[in-house]
Amino acid sequence: GESVGLHLPTLSVQEGDNSIINCAYSNSASDYFIWYKQESGKGPQFIIDIRSNMDKRQGQRVTVLLNKTVKHLSLQIAATQPGDSAVYFCAENFGISSSGGTSYGKLTFGQGTILTVHP
Amino acid sequence: ETGVTQTPRHLVMGMTNKKSLKCEQHLGHNAMYWYKQSAKKPLELMFVYSLEERVENNSVPSRFSPECPNSSHLFLHLHTLQPEDSALYLCASSSSWGGSYGYTFGSGTRLTVV
Repeated sequence: GESVGLHLPTLSVQEGDNSIINCAYSNSASDYFIWYKQESGKGPQFIIDIRSNMDKRQGQRVTVLLNKTVKHLSLQIAATQPGDSAVYFCAENFGISSSGGTSYGKLTFGQGTILTVHP
Repeated sequence: ETGVTQTPRHLVMGMTNKKSLKCEQHLGHNAMYWYKQSAKKPLELMFVYSLEERVENNSVPSRFSPECPNSSHLFLHLHTLQPEDSALYLCASSSSWGGSYGYTFGSGTRLTVV
């Protein structure tokens, strides 16, 4: 079946370093790819997204790269801070129209990478 | 606060109990979702409601029964659960196309079945 997966389950970096988290996906029909951050005791929090017709998008300290040729997604965090320590998930969104005329998005998540930032 | 509120935050229940999880959103979203998050597993989609109509049921056992009385509220009724059902249950809501800027998660209910 279709799946989204991560290459590395854990990543440890020093404060100030850049972090790169990778993700592989298999559903080429997905219209959005999203990165989420999940801190302990909280639900996933949106970080940044990228449409399937783009290959790069930048936010504040974060950049997402999409390589459709190899179906690969990455999240780059610049100048990583201790507050960035969390679990990071990639997800792919597939928009669906139901037979009743409604529409919704269906997210498929990867396993997650634990990012630990040391002071 | 994300705009999606889940209660209770923690729940411990026996296998013969009946309990309900509640989710509430006032973001004007028209789709609501239940996800299950188990340790060392990706988030698993359980149910989707779009405009109060159930549009997805991902092979979830009948001991989980969702209810969506209106576009702002979503419930998950639980009965005769098993210990392997212990997990974090996350509610989310989204706008029509699930554009990621509209897809918002609650903080979840940590469920323990004993």
